[in-house]
Amino acid sequence: QKEVEQDPGPLSVPEGAIVSLNCTYSNSAFQYFMWYRQYSRKGPELLMYTYSSGNKEDGRFTAQVDKSSKYISLFIRDSQPSDSATYLCGDKLIFGTGTRLQVFP
Amino acid sequence: EAGVAQSPRYKIIEKRQSVAFWCNPISGHATLYWYQQILGQGPKLLIQFQNNGVVDDSQLPKDRFSAERLKGVDSTLKIQPAKLEDSAVYLCASSLDPGRTDTQYFGPGTRLTVL
Repeated sequence: QKEVEQDPGPLSVPEGAIVSLNCTYSNSAFQYFMWYRQYSRKGPELLMYTYSSGNKEDGRFTAQVDKSSKYISLFIRDSQPSDSATYLCGDKLIFGTGTRLQVFP
Repeated sequence: EAGVAQSPRYKIIEKRQSVAFWCNPISGHATLYWYQQILGQGPKLLIQFQNNGVVDDSQLPKDRFSAERLKGVDSTLKIQPAKLEDSAVYLCASSLDPGRTDTQYFGPGTRLTVL
């Protein structure tokens, strides 16, 4: 079993839609949960991180962690074509496979 | 602030050949990481340096991969001999310190194709 699981997608949504990206993890030792965004042919960049159960908001992005069910979510409001990328979840050093998101105009 | 630099950006070699990748981290960053990202997968940590010492190389295939970070700044990752399954993007990242919450900054990667 992989330590972090993600649906690879692709997830295709129209501009302005609310996007929900999800991960599950198996390692109970994980304390810090991160979301990275990776554009094609670029390295990942940190989008958000959180270390506790609950929600953390940053602009159009909200990260949600439920440690009891080992479930991590990222919500993107008012999605834009520039949000089209692969979104990776995990802790600092262990990544899921990423979910590819396409936002079409 | 300049980002993490990597070279070359692309490399094509035949199996059993050798290849080396170079990384220059962000100035002042003590921690440096090498990751392997196979197409359709997330990055997998190969090795982590703190200054010029190795913190974690548990996932580095040491029979063919080697890495060094001389003087605690630049780093090179070498594969000798390469196999077909080594085709991947090799990402270098750096952070100020190795703490679990400290942001790591990634370079653009080197895309290796082994024929």
